[in-house]
Amino acid sequence: QQQVKQSPQSLIVQKGGISIINCAYENTAFDYFPWYQQFPGKGPALLIAIRPDVSEKKEGRFTISFNKSAKQFSLHIMDSQPGDSATYFCAASGMGNTPLVFGKGTRLSVIA
Amino acid sequence: KAGVTQTPRYLIKTRGQQVTLSCSPISGHRSVSWYQQTPGQGLQFLFEYFSETQRNKGNFPGRFSGRQFSNSRSEMNVSTLELGDSALYLCASNEGEVANTGELFFGEGSRLTVL
Repeated sequence: QQQVKQSPQSLIVQKGGISIINCAYENTAFDYFPWYQQFPGKGPALLIAIRPDVSEKKEGRFTISFNKSAKQFSLHIMDSQPGDSATYFCAASGMGNTPLVFGKGTRLSVIA
Repeated sequence: KAGVTQTPRYLIKTRGQQVTLSCSPISGHRSVSWYQQTPGQGLQFLFEYFSETQRNKGNFPGRFSGRQFSNSRSEMNVSTLELGDSALYLCASNEGEVANTGELFFGEGSRLTVL
């Protein structure tokens, strides 16, 4: 059972464009929503995270938008660069000692 | 601080064999989680250990097991290997006592190929 559904599977964006990756969840007990970035041959690394008490969080060119009523959240990468080419995973977890569950990932390619 | 270290990085086994993977967490981190990464399924949670106790377990068969030592180092074992066990096995450590209060720090993984 996929608790976090991520789309698209792959994405090609022109340099300087906006990359948008979407995730949806079903478990209303989730209260922590991070995004992880993974380069080939490396483990995932935390990029940015949000909790449901805010609708948006921005860190540099990366923004998470969160819609609690729709149970959806998305990652926006502004001014996308070739160095952003990686696989991105959304994730979610609930309160207490519950594990982080991940989406299936989006492979982003930023072309010049 | 040194990052999460996983060994071996690559290994090839045949069906029916067993394998043991090792993970050394970041110094001071007491929680260690294991994930299986495959192209079709993304990252799937295997189990999490905290202070030598399994605190959470994912939906994997009993062939997958793990343990944590008093120094927080962890091992996972897969017995009676199947072709479908071919994957990247990722270990992640966390500093908090509550599993989801902070960042997971991942190692580079152990790439297992089952022939």
